[in-house]
Amino acid sequence: DARVTQTPRHKVTEMGQEVTMRCQPILGHNTVFWYRQTMMQGLELLAYFRNRAPLDDSGMPKDRFSAEMPDATLATLKIQPSEPRDSAVYFCASGLVLGRVPGELFFGEGSRLTVL
Amino acid sequence: DAKTTQPPSMDCAEGRAANLPCNHSTISGNEYVYWYRQIHSQGPQYIIHGLKNNETNEMASLIITEDRKSSTLILPHATLRDTAVYYCPGQNFVFGPGTRLSVLP
Repeated sequence: DARVTQTPRHKVTEMGQEVTMRCQPILGHNTVFWYRQTMMQGLELLAYFRNRAPLDDSGMPKDRFSAEMPDATLATLKIQPSEPRDSAVYFCASGLVLGRVPGELFFGEGSRLTVL
Repeated sequence: DAKTTQPPSMDCAEGRAANLPCNHSTISGNEYVYWYRQIHSQGPQYIIHGLKNNETNEMASLIITEDRKSSTLILPHATLRDTAVYYCPGQNFVFGPGTRLSVLP
């Protein structure tokens, strides 16, 4: 079965450290999303890419977060420096968006980040 | 892009139909209605989508009102494994708090 793969699944780090989360979207999908989920805020859209170009990153704190797609098989979300309030589950999702039809999004299993 | 609203929680007896409403009063004419669910801490899972007509698949049925301002996701025979948070995100991929469905034995 084709699936979105995220690494690491779990990460514990100390405040101030750099954290990089990786996502391998499903082959052939042209749109990749990053979401963050906490109990308080629910599922927040951080950023998404179409054909590797950033389309919207308005949900992402710009001072410490950055998202990139170095190639079609890899998306990265980096936090530098990390803070305790960044503790959350980060989900990557991919989909095939044709015109204005979003299509089905496939989510990865998430990366659970704990910043001490 | 449409913003959607859903009740925060619902209960349903096992074996009965679960009817989950979603209000999308600002939806535009060419925006699709999507439904996802999230079981425990897993990633959300796609259920169904539609534009104007009612839709059915192996998981659920989707009823969209004629004016398209609201929709209802129907799980015809809810099981304990259907306990989850159900979302109807807008076409801008923004997920609200969803509805926490508890299927009770």
